[in-house]
Amino acid sequence: NAGVTQTPKFQVLKTGQSMTLQCAQDMNHNSMYWYRQDPGMGLRLIYYSASEGTTDKGEVPNGYNVSRLNKREFSLRLESAAPSQTSVYFCASSGTGGEVNQPQHFGDGTRLSIL
Amino acid sequence: AQSVTQLDSHVSVSEGTPVLLRCNYSSSYSPSLFWYVQHPNKGLQLLLKYTSAATLVKGINGFEAEFKKSETSFHLTKPSAHMSDAAEYFCVVSDAGSSYKLIFGSGTRLLVRP
Repeated sequence: NAGVTQTPKFQVLKTGQSMTLQCAQDMNHNSMYWYRQDPGMGLRLIYYSASEGTTDKGEVPNGYNVSRLNKREFSLRLESAAPSQTSVYFCASSGTGGEVNQPQHFGDGTRLSIL
Repeated sequence: AQSVTQLDSHVSVSEGTPVLLRCNYSSSYSPSLFWYVQHPNKGLQLLLKYTSAATLVKGINGFEAEFKKSETSFHLTKPSAHMSDAAEYFCVVSDAGSSYKLIFGSGTRLLVRP
């Protein structure tokens, strides 16, 4: 019963390096999301994908790109990492099932440090 | 625009005493509201949700929340705290412009003293 799986769990990068964070869900959910969590700020939405084949910007998209590879997988890419992107990144998914405002299910996060 | 304010950044209670975590929201629509819990080094787990049915919502682990439209509040309560309740709690409102987007409060860290 995996739910939402994120890899890697931890990563240290140097400024300017690139990296892709991976996320997969096994709940047949249509919608997937990427958030970042910084101290005292709750979670902020980076990008989301309402359904396979679509992606949209969230609150803080600058410096990131995403790919909805298929229904299960949604990746987040940092093309040129900056220290301001040091954060904990969470992937989430939710079903539609004809009901609006479905709760989101979260992975355990990727802790990313950029030196 | 939607927003949510958690009134306390930290709450400390003794084991066996009641828990109250306060949340106010701002919404021009009938909102959907959620409480999530986050244990250390873990993702967020849904505690309960309100979606315009009963105003008193029961969740997991003995938590409940009451939607009060006149006060624009959605406070989380539990009659008796357990050590395992120590975690961070987030009040969340859905974005009326998109059923896919959630707006998170800044969180309340609950400390439970033995």
